[in-house]
Amino acid sequence: GENVEQHPSTLSVQEGDSAVIKCTYSDSASNYFPWYKQELGKRPQLIIDIRSNVGEKKDQRIAVTLNKTAKHFSLHITETQPEDSAVYFCAATTTSGTYKYIFGTGTRLKVLA
Amino acid sequence: KAGVTQTPRYLIKTRGQQVTLSCSPISGHRSVSWYQQTPGQGLQFLFEYFSETQRNKGNFPGRFSGRQFSNSRSEMNVSTLELGDSALYLCASSVGQGAGNTIYFGEGSWLTVV
Repeated sequence: GENVEQHPSTLSVQEGDSAVIKCTYSDSASNYFPWYKQELGKRPQLIIDIRSNVGEKKDQRIAVTLNKTAKHFSLHITETQPEDSAVYFCAATTTSGTYKYIFGTGTRLKVLA
Repeated sequence: KAGVTQTPRYLIKTRGQQVTLSCSPISGHRSVSWYQQTPGQGLQFLFEYFSETQRNKGNFPGRFSGRQFSNSRSEMNVSTLELGDSALYLCASSVGQGAGNTIYFGEGSWLTVV
C-alpha cells in the first residue's frame, strides 16, 4: 500500500546549525507534499509545501526539495533557533482512487541553545 | 476566520463504552478528514468526508465510523472501546477534495480508555 518513510526519528542540532529531514514516498502518482510542524500539545500546522512541478521552494529559513525520480523530498531548516524545536511531519497526497494524505512517522527536532 | 474546532478536548472512557467526537471545519471548507495520532505511529488516516459522503477510508476496524452533516460539521464514533484506542484524534478540513488541497488541523480530542 501507500507509504511514506521519514528519517531521522529524532534530531538534535546546536542553535544556528542546519537541520535536514528526509522523506521517501511509494506512490508515484503523488503530486503534493506538505510539511507540518507540531509543537508540544498543539495542532500540526503547515509550514511549507511543494507540488510535483517544482523542484525546490524556499520560505525564509525553510526550504523543501523534491526529487520525483527518486521519490523523495526533504525539509531544510537553516540557522535553527530554539523555537524550531518540535515534531515535523512530512506527507504525500496520493491520487490512487480518491485522495488521502499519507503522513510520515515524524521527526522530533531539538535545537540546543 | 475561526479555525477547525473539536469537542470535547479531553475525555476518559471505560473499555467497552462508545464515544462520539465532534468537528466543526473552517467556514467554507467542505472536506473533513480524521486522523488518529499515537506515539510512534504518527498520523494515521481514518476517513474523509466531502458533501456528506465518505470518500475514503483508512485501515481501521468497523468500530470506527463517522458522518458529515449538511453544514459540513462532522462526527466520528468509536464503539466498543479498547485500551489501544487511547490517542489524540485530529480533525482536519480543506476547501475541496482532491490532491493539493491544503488541510488545516484542529487542536484534537484526547481520548483515554481505561
